[in-house]
Amino acid sequence: EAGVAQSPRYKIIEKRQSVAFWCNPISGHATLYWYQQILGQGPKLLIQFQNNGVVDDSQLPKDRFSAERLKGVDSTLKIQPAKLEDSAVYLCASSHTGTGGNSPLHFGNGTRLTVT
Amino acid sequence: DAKTTQPPSMDCAEGRAANLPCNHSTISGNEYVYWYRQIHSQGPQYIIHGLKNNETNEMASLIITEDRKSSTLILPHATLRDTAVYYCIVRPRYNFNKFYFGSGTKLNVKP
Repeated sequence: EAGVAQSPRYKIIEKRQSVAFWCNPISGHATLYWYQQILGQGPKLLIQFQNNGVVDDSQLPKDRFSAERLKGVDSTLKIQPAKLEDSAVYLCASSHTGTGGNSPLHFGNGTRLTVT
Repeated sequence: DAKTTQPPSMDCAEGRAANLPCNHSTISGNEYVYWYRQIHSQGPQYIIHGLKNNETNEMASLIITEDRKSSTLILPHATLRDTAVYYCIVRPRYNFNKFYFGSGTKLNVKP
């Protein structure tokens, strides 16, 4: 099966600019996750969708970050305006929901964002 | 939420078994133990998971202690390509939210 697709692979922007990342999950996976991974740290969960509804966005900086999954398939994560500390890799993951916690997450290779 | 503790780094000789420990002393009976690894510039890769019993697949074996307070991931014959950061994660069985990563163990496989 095709894996989780993310684009772009790399992005360089100046602070205060806006940026968007795209994710297409594995076909049939109802749950989609966005993680932020700062260099040298483990991934940090930003937001989790179940179909097109938000399940958990408690760690999403909502003043500048937004995410949507309008048709319950692909998703977009946006940052506006970007700050230097947003430099990180943004990872998308997806999983089945039917077996709850018994379903592994499958990750894409991420988008590396550099804010200058 | 159950937390995990892993050593920050470990070394292993190529061809030998790599045994990566994880402590999850506050785990509940309804929480799975998951293992992932992350090779440089790639997304985390699923390795294996288990609830109570030991598990084995083509990549690794997962040994969970009887009291479930710790586990060990075993790579039976480590290769240089196994050099990566390995994450141990505890995940609720009935609440599929809360998939949180810690800092992981950097495994260095040496020739």
